[in-house]
Amino acid sequence: SAVISQKPSRDICQRGTSLTIQCQVDSQVTMMFWYRQQPGQSLTLIATANQGSEATYESGFVIDKFPISRPNLTFSTLTVSNMSPEDSSIYLCSVELQGSGYTFGSGTRLTVV
Amino acid sequence: AQSVTQLGSHVSVSEGALVLLRCNYSSSVPPYLFWYVQYPNQGLQLLLKYTTGATLVKGINGFEAEFKKSETSFHLTKPSAHMSDAAEYFCAVSASSFSGYSTLTFGKGTMLLVSP
Repeated sequence: SAVISQKPSRDICQRGTSLTIQCQVDSQVTMMFWYRQQPGQSLTLIATANQGSEATYESGFVIDKFPISRPNLTFSTLTVSNMSPEDSSIYLCSVELQGSGYTFGSGTRLTVV
Repeated sequence: AQSVTQLGSHVSVSEGALVLLRCNYSSSVPPYLFWYVQYPNQGLQLLLKYTTGATLVKGINGFEAEFKKSETSFHLTKPSAHMSDAAEYFCAVSASSFSGYSTLTFGKGTMLLVSP
């Protein structure tokens, strides 16, 4: 299965600022997925990032708030923009490898104060 | 659209007792089903998955799950709980997202508490 390195592992940010989360995979993958896990909640898909094209966002998520980059087949970033306390969550990236299922990064625990 | 229902946000067992975590799904197509575990302050780890074939699936750490199409269930079991099993468990079904890609839809999770 793939090994995913995600950083930062946690951060405390001031409201109104932005944070960029990085996700590095040890294999080339076509699609990478970004999820949000709000406190005490399950995971919700934010967007799907396909290398070489614009990310596709799920209902309720917009590019201005969560811009995503996917410069190559092993790397992606998610930015949480103009943060508010409601953005305090765990953000996880994920990939799917044929035969291995979906693998997740260890997550970024974001607290907005 | 696919969905997942996990019965019980918290399940408490004694060490050595049977673990049973319930998961029901809805899907208009044959589903792929997954169980993930999340330890405190960590990401998600795949326990097991069902795609096709044998309906009883064995995973890591002694866990197994049985796909029952007639009951639309995929319950997770372990014969004897260990203290180290205390974690949150998520059931998920592979679904087509708004983007058209196949992604995971998660249940709300069940926190497993293990007492000595």
